[in-house]
Amino acid sequence: QQQVKQSPQSLIVQKGGISIINCAYENTAFDYFPWYQQFPGKGPALLIAIRPDVSEKKEGRFTISFNKSAKQFSLHIMDSQPGDSATYFCAASSGTDKLIFGTGTRLQVFP
Amino acid sequence: KAGVTQTPRYLIKTRGQQVTLSCSPISGHRSVSWYQQTPGQGLQFLFEYFSETQRNKGNFPGRFSGRQFSNSRSEMNVSTLELGDSALYLCASSLGQVKSYGYTFGSGTRLTVV
Repeated sequence: QQQVKQSPQSLIVQKGGISIINCAYENTAFDYFPWYQQFPGKGPALLIAIRPDVSEKKEGRFTISFNKSAKQFSLHIMDSQPGDSATYFCAASSGTDKLIFGTGTRLQVFP
Repeated sequence: KAGVTQTPRYLIKTRGQQVTLSCSPISGHRSVSWYQQTPGQGLQFLFEYFSETQRNKGNFPGRFSGRQFSNSRSEMNVSTLELGDSALYLCASSLGQVKSYGYTFGSGTRLTVV
């Protein structure tokens, strides 16, 4: 109930391509869905976040798509660049509760 | 503006020992949360402190404990270390509710138990 399932575990994309990472949840009380980006040797950093009252949010090359009925949300990285190579985590929370994280996706973008 | 500072960065301990990790949040941030990161499990929530009070707790054994001081600095302690406690321990600070302000993470303390 409290889990957030993330896929794929790893992703290899050509430079300029689209990277897509998916997450699914069961707890319908979740009302905040952020994505975090983590580079080696660093802590995760907030990338973009969405609330369930909108179906899509875009910030530059990063877009979150949210499907409330399917209880799924995804991160799309357009025009992927080698500098985007990192581990991405989806997460969710409800009320004033803590963030529940997915298990992460290691993205590698090759030139 | 200084970020979240965690000390030490690396630590090697022997099974059965205890360890204390430290976290200094961003100035003005009163919420400090701790997460354990391992390759297989991802980020697992340990606990959250707000104004010196534990506000939330994850599903970890009682060997894991924490506290927060009046200046918002936080420490976490792990007693009777086990091999499985080897992980990256991340501290995250926030102005308030995570959904309003998000987390700012430190770079973590890499704990190795041998």
